[in-house]
Amino acid sequence: ETGVTQSPTHLIKTRGQQVTLRCSSQSGHNTVSWYQQALGQGPQFIFQYYREEENGRGNFPPRFSGLQFPNYSSELNVNALELDDSALYLCASKPGDNTEAFFGQGTRLTVV
Amino acid sequence: EDQVTQSPEALRLQEGESSSLNCSYTVSGLRGLFWYRQDPGKGPEFLFTLYSAGEEKEKERLKATLTKKESFLHITAPKPEDSATYLCAVQAGYALNFGKGTSLLVTP
Repeated sequence: ETGVTQSPTHLIKTRGQQVTLRCSSQSGHNTVSWYQQALGQGPQFIFQYYREEENGRGNFPPRFSGLQFPNYSSELNVNALELDDSALYLCASKPGDNTEAFFGQGTRLTVV
Repeated sequence: EDQVTQSPEALRLQEGESSSLNCSYTVSGLRGLFWYRQDPGKGPEFLFTLYSAGEEKEKERLKATLTKKESFLHITAPKPEDSATYLCAVQAGYALNFGKGTSLLVTP
């Protein structure tokens, strides 16, 4: 059984550009959520997808958007990148609502 | 607003020196409290879920407990490989609300 995998592992972008991060959920998991973790902080909830629909969103602007596909994999898109978007982006999947979430290894995004 | 506060921010222990990490929380309608371990540059690794006050769970040298206002992660006779950041999170709605973590260093 494979766990949650994210790609790429590292990325450097220029301010104002757009970026797409990808996540393959763990087998059997239909719920995927994305988190942003700044250095020295705990992860912050961006949004969650359940069966291809966004069903929860944190305090992030609309330039953060996402998709979930029929195989439950997911993308996080960020437009008009800002320097403060530099962080570790984490994807987590879970098989149900009140269950533990399993995280991928993250994508380290640096905006210069 | 949900709040999660972890203490201490950093903890240095000698190998074999037992201690406890604290997670205080305020949340409306707790659906679960979660403990994760995070190594530098990696994603959080799931450790425990606790659902109701009085619940306890154990795994190797770790034991997690839950009251109505806080959770403790007890580390018994730690080893250097237990060095990591330990994160606590509460779930009320869809999101996990994380604390900032406790950075644990265990020296030989």
